[in-house]
Formats: sequence, C-alpha cells, structure tokens
Amino acid sequence: DQQVKQNSPSLSVQEGRISILNCDYTNSMFDYFLWYKKYPAEGPTFLISISSIKDKNEDGRFTVFLNKSAKHLSLHIVPSQPGDSAVYFCAANAGNMLTFGGGTRLMVKP
Amino acid sequence: NAGVTQTPKFQVLKTGQSMTLQCAQDMNHEYMSWYRQDPGMGLRLIHYSVGAGITDQGEVPNGYNVSRSTTEDFPLRLLSAAPSQTSVYFCASSLTLPFSGANVLTFGAGSRLTVL
Repeated sequence: DQQVKQNSPSLSVQEGRISILNCDYTNSMFDYFLWYKKYPAEGPTFLISISSIKDKNEDGRFTVFLNKSAKHLSLHIVPSQPGDSAVYFCAANAGNMLTFGGGTRLMVKP
Repeated sequence: NAGVTQTPKFQVLKTGQSMTLQCAQDMNHEYMSWYRQDPGMGLRLIHYSVGAGITDQGEVPNGYNVSRSTTEDFPLRLLSAAPSQTSVYFCASSLTLPFSGANVLTFGAGSRLTVL
C-alpha cells in the first residue's frame, strides 16, 4: 500500500500562471517532506522541503504547504516557466527511509 | 567533485543472467541507497546503508543483493535477472539522516536495465 500518493499523473499550465502539485500521505510518523524535480535522462534533484511542525515554507517561486490534519501537502510554483516542465516527486522521511510518491508530470506551455 | 557516479548507464540482460550495478560517491556520505523507477510507481527503495558494513532492506529488496565494504561504494547485484527487474535504477547518497532539507539525498544519473 502506497504511503505517499500523487493522484494527478500530469498537469498542464500556461506560462506565467500558478502550478499546484498535490500529494497525500498516510503515515503519521513522517517528520519531513521534500519535493524533487526530475528531467528526462537525469537523476532527481532536490527542490524544497518542509518540517512536519511547520505549515508553509517558501523559496523564491516555490512554496510548499502542509496540512497535517488532512495529511496533505502541495507545491505551488508562481509564476510557472517553461523550464519548470519536468516530473515532480513528493517524498516523506520516517527513520532511515525516504518514501516517494508516483510523480506528476508538469508541462508549462509558452 | 563528481557527486554520485553510476555505471553502466545502459545494460541489456537475458533472463537468468547476473550483473552488478556500480555506484560510487566522493562526498564522504554515510548514507547510500538504491531506488528503482517504474512508470506510475515513482521511486521505490530497494536497499540502503547507513555506513560501511551496514545494510538494510527497503520496500522492494527481493532479487537484489548489496554490500558496503567502503564508504564510497555501494554496488547493487542482480543474482538471476527477471523481466520484472526491467527498470531505471538510481543510486543516491546523503551526508547523514534525517532528510530534513538541510540534508538531502543526492542522486546519480541512473542506469537503465532491460531484461529480455
């Protein structure tokens, strides 16, 4: 049973608009949540993270929101740029393991 | 500083063959891990190591073997390849735990394996 789920396999947005990527989890023991970005033929790269004791973390155009009661987090990208087109993975840490969701492919159209 | 280096980048095997995917890091990271990426399944943890001489199983360990004799190297062995092991494999390392953002997993570029 997947502990971290990204229910939207793909998302398409217009350049300059907001992109919102969602992630749900089931394990209450997760203490950190991270977002990774992956381009084709490359390894994933770290984007932004949030501690379970916070509800928001911002880094430039990227903001992550955490709703612990709903076991839900989201990544907002504002404004979206064509270079943001990639697969985005949310991940959650408990103990010695980082568990990933299935990924969402974001396409930003010029 | 090369980061995390994986070899080979591509490999085709026949069912039943064995092979080793190599992973090396030059960042003096204590933690190393192997993931496989399959469509719709995201990245699933195969095995991990918190230091030289210590390994443990992840979510999908069956059919794979690992060892950690040095801090730098963490090879992944397929003992008898099966078509279900066709996937893209990623090695990743971090300085320590937890994965807080201040400390994150750094990934290699991946190894694409096809088992016929």
